[in-house]
This record gives sequence, structure tokens and C-alpha cells, in this order.
Amino acid sequence: GAGVSQSPSNKVTEKGKDVELRCDPISGHTALYWYRQSLGQGLEFLIYFQGNSAPDKSGLPSDRFSAERTGGSVSTLTIQRTQQEDSAVYLCASSVVRTGELFFGEGSRLTVL
Amino acid sequence: KQEVTQIPAALSVPEGENLVLNCSFTDSAIYNLQWFRQDPGKGLTSLLLIQSSQREQTSGRLNASLDKSSGRSTLYIAASQPGDSATYLCAVEGNQGGKLIFGQGTELSVKP
Repeated sequence: GAGVSQSPSNKVTEKGKDVELRCDPISGHTALYWYRQSLGQGLEFLIYFQGNSAPDKSGLPSDRFSAERTGGSVSTLTIQRTQQEDSAVYLCASSVVRTGELFFGEGSRLTVL
Repeated sequence: KQEVTQIPAALSVPEGENLVLNCSFTDSAIYNLQWFRQDPGKGLTSLLLIQSSQREQTSGRLNASLDKSSGRSTLYIAASQPGDSATYLCAVEGNQGGKLIFGQGTELSVKP
């Protein structure tokens, strides 16, 4: 595709439910990143993929959060047993190589009631 | 631990003014620094990427400088326009690579 695509763009869920957020990076980009943006908190790094492996998952807030990437392309961020503090915009970005320019998607806005 | 600070947090200027946004970082061992723009409700758009070996980068009316030893970068916007109104974020990537640390951003408003 022309840019990084994320779905859903908006998700409202009840506390305790599981959610999956999807990221489709730019074709050919080997590196993929997940960030979280909360009101007043700035951008918080979650996890980074090089190909299908995740050399750095240090930003995942708890074991309720997990992510995978398959075929060196699409990535899914899964949040289990959602809590209200998980409400945020989840942004995905990709780059050609690990240290290159980042291209961001529009984000997935998650609201946990 | 790397920390990135952006000053000012918000800035309002009349159209046509030249302006400077500041970014500072605590650990000078960086691989690169990037400036981004974010419009409300949107993702981030990359503006300029400066490698650690570079001193500045230019794109149109934008010029970004990097002084790695002092831990500072500035984004200079010439002849500002209302369409420049957005939040500007800087981010640094450490020598280990893979993770960008972002500042809190400067919210810019350019009045017609």
C-alpha cells in the first residue's frame, strides 16, 4: 500500500475484554514499531520488530500486552483483559531499515469503558 | 536513561514570522534525531532526519540543526503560514537502534 495502514481506527470495548489491533506496514519495510499515545503522556515505545523477530519489547506495559508479526509484514498487537488505563491511541510505524526514517499510520483509538 | 525535552510547550505567532523550536536530550550517544509533525487526530509525519554525523538538514522552509555534544537540536521554520499549525515532536534514536524516544512536543499555532 501507499502508507502504513492500521485497523480498526476506533475501538470501544468493555473492561476485561480482549482486543486486537492490526498494522499493515509499507511494503518492503523491514522494521515495524508500536507506540502508544495517551492524553498528556506523549509517545510511549511499546515494541519493535526487525523482520518477524522482536529484538526490543521492553516497552510492553504488562504481560497482558503481546504482539506478533508474520511474513515480515502485518503485525497484530493484542491486549488481554483490557483495563481503563489501556485507553489511548496506538500508533504503528515502519521504516525501510532499523535506523531509517519512520512512517506512521493514523493510529487506532482504543476506549475501554 | 535518555530523556527528551521540548521548549516551548506551546507557541502562537502571527503569519510570516520566522520561528525556532527547541529540543534537548540528556544522552549524547545517539544514532539520529528526527523531527515530526502531528495534526490533531492524525498520525505523525516525518519532516527531517539528521544522522549523528550531520550538523543540519533542510527541506523547503524547514531547517533542523543538531549539536550532539551539547544535546540540542533546533527546528527553524521560515515565513510561517497558518498551515504550519500543528504539534511538532522531536525524537532521538540511541546507538543500539530500534527505539525512538520522543519529546512531549511543541504545539504551534500560526495566526492569519
